[in-house]
Amino acid sequence: KAGVTQTPRYLIKTRGQQVTLSCSPISGHRSVSWYQQTPGQGLQFLFEYFSETQRNKGNFPGRFSGRQFSNSRSEMNVSTLELGDSALYLCASRFLLSTDTQYFGPGTRLTVL
Amino acid sequence: EDQVTQSPEALRLQEGESSSLNCSYTVSGLRGLFWYRQDPGKGPEFLFTLYSAGEEKEKERLKATLTKKESFLHITAPKPEDSATYLCAVQAGYGGSQGNLIFGKGTKLSVKP
Repeated sequence: KAGVTQTPRYLIKTRGQQVTLSCSPISGHRSVSWYQQTPGQGLQFLFEYFSETQRNKGNFPGRFSGRQFSNSRSEMNVSTLELGDSALYLCASRFLLSTDTQYFGPGTRLTVL
Repeated sequence: EDQVTQSPEALRLQEGESSSLNCSYTVSGLRGLFWYRQDPGKGPEFLFTLYSAGEEKEKERLKATLTKKESFLHITAPKPEDSATYLCAVQAGYGGSQGNLIFGKGTKLSVKP
């Protein structure tokens, strides 16, 4: 069974631009979560989607948004990029909200210049 | 506030030198404690889930244990390929962060031949 896939793997943007990241969960998994990983803060939860609805949200500004499609694929958008948004963005999937273990993708490395 | 603290931040071992990594936590009703391994430039790889105090799980040279306040990841006779960052995360059973993973900053393990 294929794992979680994320595209693109690397991205370079400039301040003020916006970016969209994509995540395809493990086949059959219906929940997708997004995390931001930085050297200083570690892994921090952004939001989780299940059945095309945001179920939970972390403490990030409104510039960070996401959505989920009917096939469970998810996208994350960051508008008006800031230098501090440079990070590894990780997507994780799990079968259901009641399923505990989350499986992570390889991440998208975003660099903001 | 739910939080996870891992120690030490970094650990250098000689091949074959056994040791333990610590993960202490405070959480609103522990739903699960997770250990992941992360190699540079990759997403976290799932290792173990522990649910209740006294529970233990093993995989090759790794053994995870859980008490009411902390978890240990014991590494027996490590090999250079065990070098990675080991991440601990908890999932709260209730409260604002219910469902999402709260991560520690990780322990970077280096095993020298």
